[in-house]
Amino acid sequence: EAGVTQFPSHSVIEKGQTVTLRCDPISGHDNLYWYRRVMGKEIKFLLHFVKESKQDESGMPNNRFLAERTGGTYSTLKVQPAELEDSGVYFCASSPPSGRHYGYTFGSGTRLTVV
Amino acid sequence: KQEVTQIPAALSVPEGENLVLNCSFTDSAIYNLQWFRQDPGKGLTSLLLIQSSQREQTSGRLNASLDKSSGRSTLYIAASQPGDSATYLCAVRRSGAGSYQLTFGKGTKLSVIP
Repeated sequence: EAGVTQFPSHSVIEKGQTVTLRCDPISGHDNLYWYRRVMGKEIKFLLHFVKESKQDESGMPNNRFLAERTGGTYSTLKVQPAELEDSGVYFCASSPPSGRHYGYTFGSGTRLTVV
Repeated sequence: KQEVTQIPAALSVPEGENLVLNCSFTDSAIYNLQWFRQDPGKGLTSLLLIQSSQREQTSGRLNASLDKSSGRSTLYIAASQPGDSATYLCAVRRSGAGSYQLTFGKGTKLSVIP
């Protein structure tokens, strides 16, 4: 079984530019989550999809961040325009439809550096 | 608001030693607790998942315990090996309908010296 795949693994962009991160969850996992870790802090929740619907987006920092999951398969997280404080590692995770009984499977993350 | 604390922040032990990593959380209304390891530049690998109704889980040389009422979990690693060197993260999921968020601690960075 393929794991959670994230692309790209690294991205360096200039302040003001746009970046799009992609996550492919495990096939059949209806639940998809985005988390991020900024330097020196703990990993924090951003949002949760159930299929193509946003179940919880309470962790999204501001309206420069836009997440989509068209068709309930892969998801993208766009940052536009990027700011210096957006630098960090963005993780995607997925869990089966009865997600509450299972743990999460995380991807390897995308390391975003805004300069 | 749930807060998760992991102590110590870093730990260095000689190979072969048994060790315990600690995790505490402020709100005991949790659904489950998960331990992960993270290798440098890599993602999170799930080690053990403990449901709130369970007291412990074991996998190989790893044993995780949960005391929900006191807000504590420990991860015990037996006979440590250099390959165990990594950052270990504890995360709790709050109980209640629609509560899927994980709250993470900052982690314990473990170094096992050959």
